[in-house]
Amino acid sequence: ILNVEQSPQSLHVQEGDSTNFTCSFPSSNFYALHWYRWETAKSPEALFVMTLNGDEKKKGRISATLNTKEGYSYLYIKGSQPEDSATYLCAFASGGSYIPTFGRGTSLIVHP
Amino acid sequence: ETGVTQSPTHLIKTRGQQVTLRCSSQSGHNTVSWYQQALGQGPQFIFQYYREEENGRGNFPPRFSGLQFPNYSSELNVNALELDDSALYLCASSSERPGDGYTFGSGTRLTVV
Repeated sequence: ILNVEQSPQSLHVQEGDSTNFTCSFPSSNFYALHWYRWETAKSPEALFVMTLNGDEKKKGRISATLNTKEGYSYLYIKGSQPEDSATYLCAFASGGSYIPTFGRGTSLIVHP
Repeated sequence: ETGVTQSPTHLIKTRGQQVTLRCSSQSGHNTVSWYQQALGQGPQFIFQYYREEENGRGNFPPRFSGLQFPNYSSELNVNALELDDSALYLCASSSERPGDGYTFGSGTRLTVV
């Protein structure tokens, strides 16, 4: 069973704050790391799929880094806005099955 | 390009009954994966279908079964429903390239009473 851990479980920030969350995954047999944003009553939406150690990806105010050797990825949100409020899920795919195993997510609430 | 559609959105069933959940895949995608999300948990992998064949299965009993059709839409069937089957069931489509991300539907909320 692959262990994918996300921290913190939940986070409350004020509008304009920058924030970051962590996803930890097995450091062996890495294939890909996915990040999704899941707003209430909507579908999870893919943010990034990262495959190379040292990868950094950016989409607007959201960026992510990847360290496959130590088994972690960080997701950063710069200048949080209320519309960033969502659950952020990461998922690890190993080289064996390629099928992503999800963490429990980090719930972000941005207060105006 | 169409997204992933799941039906129904909500469903209430009685313990012991059977249920079928449906999912259309996004245009251009030939792989469908099903996940179960129980309260407080991350999505748990049930199984994946690629070109109408089961391509991987998670730790779910045989009463969870599926189908994929020639148009790549899919069904999830659960027999002999148990109270613990109450959850959000998510369907996701993808291409056959494992490095591509998933396109998710908005889920079916199943309540077993």
